Amino acid sequence: GENVEQHPSTLSVQEGDSAVIKCTYSDSASNYFPWYKQELGKGPQLIIDIRSNVGEKKDQRIAVTLNKTAKHFSLHITETQPEDSAVYFCAASPLGGYQKVTFGTGTKLQVIP
Amino acid sequence: DGGITQSPKYLFRKEGQNVTLSCEQNLNHDAMYWYRQDPGQGLRLIYYSQIVNDFQKGDIAEGYSVSREKKESFPLTVTSAQKNPTAFYLCASSADRDRVKGYTFGSGTRLTVV
Repeated sequence: GENVEQHPSTLSVQEGDSAVIKCTYSDSASNYFPWYKQELGKGPQLIIDIRSNVGEKKDQRIAVTLNKTAKHFSLHITETQPEDSAVYFCAASPLGGYQKVTFGTGTKLQVIP
Repeated sequence: DGGITQSPKYLFRKEGQNVTLSCEQNLNHDAMYWYRQDPGQGLRLIYYSQIVNDFQKGDIAEGYSVSREKKESFPLTVTSAQKNPTAFYLCASSADRDRVKGYTFGSGTRLTVV
């Protein structure tokens, strides 16, 4: 089955700096890669996703890149703000029908004012 | 506003008791899911349902049971057979099987065995 590894497990950055979280996956059949943000005591919220037919996607200060050959994808947050502090999860799955979504173990991001 | 409502937010269970976690959605989503979250671990799938009156086991279904009698509701029962039930439980839904818009999660129920 699919295995998703996520690094780092914790990340501290100064406000205004960039943050990068990296994930690798094992199943070449995976073609959908969402990222979720989980604030304390809340459920995860989808913040961005990418499909295998594109290599990069941006939405304001966040971007995701995908390298299908190397089987890794990354989340980039620029100009970080204190409200970016949260746990971020990557995930991978094939699209089409019901397919299991495999989550990474999460990255706790702390933005220091 | 549409969304997923989980209740209660906090739940305490005594040893040997069954407890039921509620999950209700008004998004008209077909598929619903239950995940368990433990510190330092990713979300692990307990059960999922793609359609009313049908559900499938996930990776860690032992000690849990579900029902899907209505499209809007997908309750999870944690039975006494679940030996380590203390965790954060998340319910999610997706608009379609292809999940083109990803999952919508509820705000979770924290279950503690006392």
